[in-house]
Amino acid sequence: EAGVTQFPSHSVIEKGQTVTLRCDPISGHDNLYWYRRVMGKEIKFLLHFVKESKQDESGMPNNRFLAERTGGTYSTLKVQPAELEDSGVYFCASSANWGNTIYFGEGSWLTVV
Amino acid sequence: QKEVEQNSGPLSVPEGAIASLNCTYSDRGSQSFFWYRQYSGKSPELIMSIYSNGDKEDGRFTAQLNKASQYVSLLIRDSQPSDSATYLCAVIPGAVGTASKLTFGTGTRLQVTL
Repeated sequence: EAGVTQFPSHSVIEKGQTVTLRCDPISGHDNLYWYRRVMGKEIKFLLHFVKESKQDESGMPNNRFLAERTGGTYSTLKVQPAELEDSGVYFCASSANWGNTIYFGEGSWLTVV
Repeated sequence: QKEVEQNSGPLSVPEGAIASLNCTYSDRGSQSFFWYRQYSGKSPELIMSIYSNGDKEDGRFTAQLNKASQYVSLLIRDSQPSDSATYLCAVIPGAVGTASKLTFGTGTRLQVTL
């Protein structure tokens, strides 16, 4: 069974540009999460989808971040325009049901220069 | 005060010894606690979950929870070089079933030496 996959694994962009990160959860997992780890800090929650609906987006830092999960399958996280402080590792995670084990992808490393 | 606190380490233990990793949390109402292991550049991997006070054992791993002290720990017996990784403590604030977002500590880096 394939795990949570994320693309791209690494991205270097200039300040002001746009980047779109993609996450494919484990097949059949209704719950999809985005987390972020910036340098030296802990992994922090960004948002939670249940199928295509945003269940909790309390962790989204500002309106430069837009997450979508059309059709309730894969998800995208777009950062537009990117700022230097957006650099970090963006993790996607999924779980089958509420309260089940949350499985993480390997992360998308974003560097904004 | 951070919601979940861990010593960043590195914690160095010799091969075969017991590694003890500690974590404290601030939300007294939390009911769900997890330990994730993360190798450099890889995804966090769940190794233990614990919901009740006391000890929970799984192979070489034992998780310990003390809700009165707001403290959760992970013991790794017979430590192996392959256990060298960052161990992340994570908590779901609130009662079981009320939320599912994880709050992480910064992680403790464990080094098992030969």
